[in-house]
Amino acid sequence: AQSVTQPDIHITVSEGASLELRCNYSYGATPYLFWYVQSPGQGLQLLLKYFSGDTLVQGIKGFEAEFKRSQSSFNLRKPSVHWSDAAEYFCAVGAYNTNAGKSTFGDGTTLTVKP
Amino acid sequence: EPEVTQTPSHQVTQMGQEVILRCVPISNHLYFYWYRQILGQKVEFLVSFYNNEISEKSEIFDDQFSVERPDGSNFTLKIRSTKLEDSAMYFCASRPSPSQPQHFGDGTRLSIL
Repeated sequence: AQSVTQPDIHITVSEGASLELRCNYSYGATPYLFWYVQSPGQGLQLLLKYFSGDTLVQGIKGFEAEFKRSQSSFNLRKPSVHWSDAAEYFCAVGAYNTNAGKSTFGDGTTLTVKP
Repeated sequence: EPEVTQTPSHQVTQMGQEVILRCVPISNHLYFYWYRQILGQKVEFLVSFYNNEISEKSEIFDDQFSVERPDGSNFTLKIRSTKLEDSAMYFCASRPSPSQPQHFGDGTRLSIL
């Protein structure tokens, strides 16, 4: 069964500081990994995705994530956080190349940005 | 950029009533999904749908739930005899092929009174 763990429920960073959100996954085959961002009452916006190739992937809004197979991790990073980055962040693992292809989400990490 | 469209954005229903949540996936997409997010919790998979049949469903998706693609553009989730615990945000998603990621709609907030 596939699963995702986001160890940090809530993170607070100062504006301009760097950010790293942790994600660990469990999946029996090659995972399809995603990071989504959700503002209160809003939908899910895809930040970036990884299936294969370069283990460092670039996304929108200046975010990047690094896939580390040996650690079963897919941590999200941003070098300098902006106040508008305050939101809920979800890591997800999905099945690649199957007709079902559901995604399994982590519990999320709430990011607060201090001025 | 094409979007997945969900209507209504907010639905209020009396307990025990039936509700239909509607989704218009992106036009060239073939794989469709419903997820739910109870307030303050994570997003949970409900069902996937391809080629006019359910591909996979979770344990949440019991006989109370059904999905349908009644025409070439809509994808609906029906919840019969709603319960208080059905109150949640329901997200529709679609993707064009198994090798592409899902695109999510903005969700329908369902409130059961």
